[in-house]
Amino acid sequence: DAGITQSPRHKVTETGTPVTLRCHQTENHRYMYWYRQDPGHGLRLIHYSYGVKDTDKGEVSDGYSVSRSKTEDFLLTLESATSSQTSVYFCAISAPPKQGAYEQFFGPGTRLTVL
Amino acid sequence: GNSVTQMEGPVTLSEEAFLTINCTYTATGYPSLFWYVQYPGEGLQLLLKATKADDKGSNKGFEATYRKETTSFHLEKGSVQVSDSAVYFCALSDPLSSNDYKLSFGAGTTVTVRA
Repeated sequence: DAGITQSPRHKVTETGTPVTLRCHQTENHRYMYWYRQDPGHGLRLIHYSYGVKDTDKGEVSDGYSVSRSKTEDFLLTLESATSSQTSVYFCAISAPPKQGAYEQFFGPGTRLTVL
Repeated sequence: GNSVTQMEGPVTLSEEAFLTINCTYTATGYPSLFWYVQYPGEGLQLLLKATKADDKGSNKGFEATYRKETTSFHLEKGSVQVSDSAVYFCALSDPLSSNDYKLSFGAGTTVTVRA
């Protein structure tokens, strides 16, 4: 199994509070991603990183920010949590695609509830 | 961008029944195609993949063939077991830039196998 951990695994918070989720990898992969999983939507990309300090937005980035100060850590921050951000958040890593041999490996997920 | 349409569930089967989950895609270029599986309470695991037309991915008795002419990647298993109960996601590699990719997911199909 790819060495990806997420913390916390579960969190309940209140509307308006800041929340930071952490993804840690031991694979030394360059690319890291944050997705959210919601019923009927599959997984949708929030932000991604293609190297230390190099990040970009995904399709559902509003209300989220990210940081990557080290190869192994990718942080997702909800500056002011809203109930619409209640979801399961997954971190993923991948090696750069080569000759079509492209895969992403997922962490165990963080279940976030915003009351 | 690229997109995936996946058969809606839930699907309930008896043990040893035949399982098919339909997946079609829309893409520019030549994406790689994947099936991921999510067991209850866990993250996503890659089940199988295919990187070019007519490739057949297979794993754990599951198979899917990359059909470019019908833009499909249907998942099949000839004899399901209770342990196959999970949510199944079809996905494709969706370019973010010339070097970056994300995964575009279908909505997921929940499969329940009864003993």
